[in-house]
Amino acid sequence: LAKTTQPISMDSYEGQEVNITCSHNNIATNDYITWYQQFPSQGPRFIIQGYKTKVTNEVASLFIPADRKSSTLSLPRVSLSDTAVYYCLVGELPGSARQLTFGSGTQLTVLP
Amino acid sequence: EAGVVQSPRYKIIEKKQPVAFWCNPISGHNTLYWYLQNLGQGPELLIRYENEEAVDDSQLPKDRFSAERLKGVDSTLKIQPAELGDSAVYLCASSLGRVGQETQYFGPGTRLLVL
Repeated sequence: LAKTTQPISMDSYEGQEVNITCSHNNIATNDYITWYQQFPSQGPRFIIQGYKTKVTNEVASLFIPADRKSSTLSLPRVSLSDTAVYYCLVGELPGSARQLTFGSGTQLTVLP
Repeated sequence: EAGVVQSPRYKIIEKKQPVAFWCNPISGHNTLYWYLQNLGQGPELLIRYENEEAVDDSQLPKDRFSAERLKGVDSTLKIQPAELGDSAVYLCASSLGRVGQETQYFGPGTRLLVL
């Protein structure tokens, strides 16, 4: 399974853009990159997924360089409610024996 | 649309007692997952179902854990007997299970405390 490495924690202030980088050096050709968000006492929630280049949705952007050995989740203008743990996952889509594996995640704390 | 439902939300038991967790996935989702999450760590997959078939249970401690998904809808995860180290949050998730629609939707989890 492709292993991911993320910073343990990050602090930011309201209104700032936050970039969380994930390293996945042994990503395989068929692997996708997925980010989840988890608030205390809740299950993780899907944020964004991508394979290469850039993906953007209403919540975040995901930047993936050409070598795909890392990815960066970008949260524009964070608010206090964005304080959560963010997980980067690498894995194949269903139909394969490989599974998505959660790491320890990045605890993002947004300060007023 | 209702999300993934889990019950109970909290459970406190003494060691060596049995315990069961129930999960109702989102309607129409063929794939169901059970995860274990320890404090400060990410979820760890225990078992994955495609309809009623357990297609990946390699991480399930089969000496004390069991799971079933009768009729390919609801699922139950059981621990018998529970040990102190089983204290954790047990998460259930579901997905459509089709290529391009594999987003996992998680329930709120069941927090288990074994005394």
